[in-house]
Amino acid sequence: NAGVTQTPKFQVLKTGQSMTLQCAQDMNHEYMSWYRQDPGMGLRLIHYSVGAGITDQGEVPNGYNVSRSTTEDFPLRLLSAAPSQTSVYFCASSYSGVQRGNGYTFGSGTRLTVV
Amino acid sequence: AQKVTQAQTEISVVEKEDVTLDCVYETRDTTYYLFWYKQPPSGELVFLIRRNSFDEQNEISGRYSWNFQKSTSSFNFTITASQVVDSAVYFCALSGHNTDKLIFGTGTRLQVFP
Repeated sequence: NAGVTQTPKFQVLKTGQSMTLQCAQDMNHEYMSWYRQDPGMGLRLIHYSVGAGITDQGEVPNGYNVSRSTTEDFPLRLLSAAPSQTSVYFCASSYSGVQRGNGYTFGSGTRLTVV
Repeated sequence: AQKVTQAQTEISVVEKEDVTLDCVYETRDTTYYLFWYKQPPSGELVFLIRRNSFDEQNEISGRYSWNFQKSTSSFNFTITASQVVDSAVYFCALSGHNTDKLIFGTGTRLQVFP
């Protein structure tokens, strides 16, 4: 099993450019989520999904878009990149409901710099 | 609302010292899950432990131990005889019964000096 795969690992964007961060999992997890990690602020939830076709906003959703057309994939779109979106992004997945007590699986992260 | 507080921003110890990382949480759920993750300098998130709200037994795994106290809403993490390889950022996180969302504290950076 590959677990949670994030691509790319590194990316530099110019202000105003758009891009998609990819996240795929092969564990048949219902729940998937995106976090951003900034110094001193821990990991903050951007968007999450509890199943195909269902998404919802987390703590810091502005400037980001998501969709969940399949169980396996949960891409994160930056529509018009801003320097404030410079961060490390993590994707995570888990089973939904009480089974998530078994834990969340994280991808290795994407380091994004917006200049 | 759910919240996790890690009041210690950074801790520095000398190798072989014991160190405790504090975690205080808030939730209205009666069923919830608590987690600790380690983030070494390489950047990945390494799962350390999970605990559900029904299980208040403390747990020990080698040099690591966890003290879960519902009465004080705390889930503290102790490293015994710390080593340089323990240097990392440690995150405490909470997931409530009625949501799959995982909420993190701001993390504690532990530096262990030889």
